[in-house]
Amino acid sequence: GQNIDQPTEMTATEGAIVQINCTYQTSGFNGLFWYQQHAGEAPTFLSYNVLDGLEEKGRFSSFLSRSKGYSYLLLKELQMKDSASYLCANDYKLSFGAGTTVTVRA
Amino acid sequence: DSGVTQTPKHLITATGQRVTLRCSPRSGDLSVYWYQQSLDQGLQFLIHYYNGEERAKGNILERFSAQQFPDLHSELNLSSLELGDSALYFCASSVATGGGEKLFFGSGTQLSVL
Repeated sequence: GQNIDQPTEMTATEGAIVQINCTYQTSGFNGLFWYQQHAGEAPTFLSYNVLDGLEEKGRFSSFLSRSKGYSYLLLKELQMKDSASYLCANDYKLSFGAGTTVTVRA
Repeated sequence: DSGVTQTPKHLITATGQRVTLRCSPRSGDLSVYWYQQSLDQGLQFLIHYYNGEERAKGNILERFSAQQFPDLHSELNLSSLELGDSALYFCASSVATGGGEKLFFGSGTQLSVL
């Protein structure tokens, strides 16, 4: 299968930085997506990595290491509105992880 | 608004019944994907259609079927419903089917089987 593992929950303080890790099986890999999903809403696209390295997009950055089957999403300068579930997804067979629920506290 | 339309938003039905969920993709998108999301399972890929043809199957039960019509809208049919089928069903669309195509999700259909 395309097992994707990410932590279930993370809590951080407003203004802080949080790093959400994701590991996946390297057999069959096209690229790695990160999506954000607020409670009761549809997932929305955040980032896509196909090459190794860090891609920065405003307060959010995503990193990929293909040899290690590892990615992370870095959320900087956390805001209350960042409280959501963050889904890691392998482009191969469109497999999503169960998501990491991030709670931002004042 | 993602541009993907799903109807109905909510559906309440009984065990053993059959329902049809409908999805209209974004204008110009040829690919349609169906996902099931339940509290304990996360987002599970069900099936993918591209320009009317089935392209990939995921964890879709035999009681479930789908199709994509010439106008590119898609329907997901769920039959002999069981309590465990209660979930949020998402449809997503993308322009094509190559790698790196980001998905645009509809707002989902919340199915409750009583």
